[in-house]
Amino acid sequence: DAGITQSPRHKVTETGTPVTLRCHQTENHRYMYWYRQDPGHGLRLIHYSYGVKDTDKGEVSDGYSVSRSKTEDFLLTLESATSSQTSVYFCASRQGGFLNTEAFFGQGTRLTVV
Amino acid sequence: DAKTTQPPSMDCAEGRAANLPCNHSTISGNEYVYWYRQIHSQGPQYIIHGLKNNETNEMASLIITEDRKSSTLILPHATLRDTAVYYCIVLLSSGTYKYIFGTGTRLKVLA
Repeated sequence: DAGITQSPRHKVTETGTPVTLRCHQTENHRYMYWYRQDPGHGLRLIHYSYGVKDTDKGEVSDGYSVSRSKTEDFLLTLESATSSQTSVYFCASRQGGFLNTEAFFGQGTRLTVV
Repeated sequence: DAKTTQPPSMDCAEGRAANLPCNHSTISGNEYVYWYRQIHSQGPQYIIHGLKNNETNEMASLIITEDRKSSTLILPHATLRDTAVYYCIVLLSSGTYKYIFGTGTRLKVLA
């Protein structure tokens, strides 16, 4: 499997504080993704990146921002965390330029906003 | 954007074939169908993908109808470890390759 790691794996934070989650991949993949997963909703796409400094919004981007200054790192920031952002966050990466390459997922970050 | 529709849950007896259907009636000609599964709260795991021909690998088989409007994932001999949520995804060909998940099928393999 591709080397993709998320940090931290667990975090508890207070409402109104900024939070940054990190996704790191070692496969030189072009595309990277951030999802959130809540009970009964499956995975919902927050933001994605199709190259360094190239990002776009997904289905549920309100309250989130991302940055990708290096190929290997994709950061997800909650500028002012709210309780509705309590969720499990997954990142993924995949090779770019072709339609027939699979995505590799990290193990998730469980974020609790109290 | 091509959407997928899957039954919310299915049961399968251990050792029997599990056949998981997916409808993707708005799929475009150059869009692939991908299948992933998620066991407990782990990150999703790739299973198989295909364009128009049937595909088989060590994990599963993928049958895509001739009109490409639906597909079936087949786990030939389901085991208890195959209990998971299975997601069918169509890879969008808009140039940015978004991966949009549906709600998936929760497969329970029964002993």
